[in-house]
Amino acid sequence: GENVEQHPSTLSVQEGDSAVIKCTYSDSASNYFPWYKQELGKGPQLIIDIRSNVGEKKDQRIAVTLNKTAKHFSLHITETQPEDSAVYFCAASDSQGGATNKLIFGTGTLLAVQP
Amino acid sequence: KAGVTQTPRYLIKTRGQQVTLSCSPISGHRSVSWYQQTPGQGLQFLFEYFSETQRNKGNFPGRFSGRQFSNSRSEMNVSTLELGDSALYLCASSIAGEGEQFFGPGTRLTVL
Repeated sequence: GENVEQHPSTLSVQEGDSAVIKCTYSDSASNYFPWYKQELGKGPQLIIDIRSNVGEKKDQRIAVTLNKTAKHFSLHITETQPEDSAVYFCAASDSQGGATNKLIFGTGTLLAVQP
Repeated sequence: KAGVTQTPRYLIKTRGQQVTLSCSPISGHRSVSWYQQTPGQGLQFLFEYFSETQRNKGNFPGRFSGRQFSNSRSEMNVSTLELGDSALYLCASSIAGEGEQFFGPGTRLTVL
């Protein structure tokens, strides 16, 4: 069945360093890949997403890359700040031309940014 | 613009009871999806509604059900609660049937 693997499960970096989280998906029909940030006691917050017709997307300090051939996508955070500390989830969706909005989530990465 | 709202935020129930959770999507959004989040299983898809119709359902027992109203608000119901149903139940809304989904804060359900 559909599966999304996410690594690492925990990541500790020094403030100002970069952080990279990687995901692999199994369903070749997947065409939409969002990333969510979840802080304690809150729901997941969409921070960036990418569609299968794009290889890279950037929004200020956050970027996402997609390799469709290898079924890999990654989140890159540069110049990390303590407020970036949270759990990050990748997800993949096979929208089937708009027939469904189901997201398959990775297992999450706990990012800790040390001041 | 107000975000996705979920009520109640916290619930404590006992085994065998039933529970109804409510979700109000962002104004103008017609699609609502529900997810269960637990430490052991992570985020799992429950079901999805679009224009009052269930479009997709995850691999959960029939005790889990839902519906969507004409104003796009959605409810999910869990009957005959089990200890393993303790979880954070999240609702997400999107404008149409695909693309960006925005999550609410969730309802924390504890089954004793």
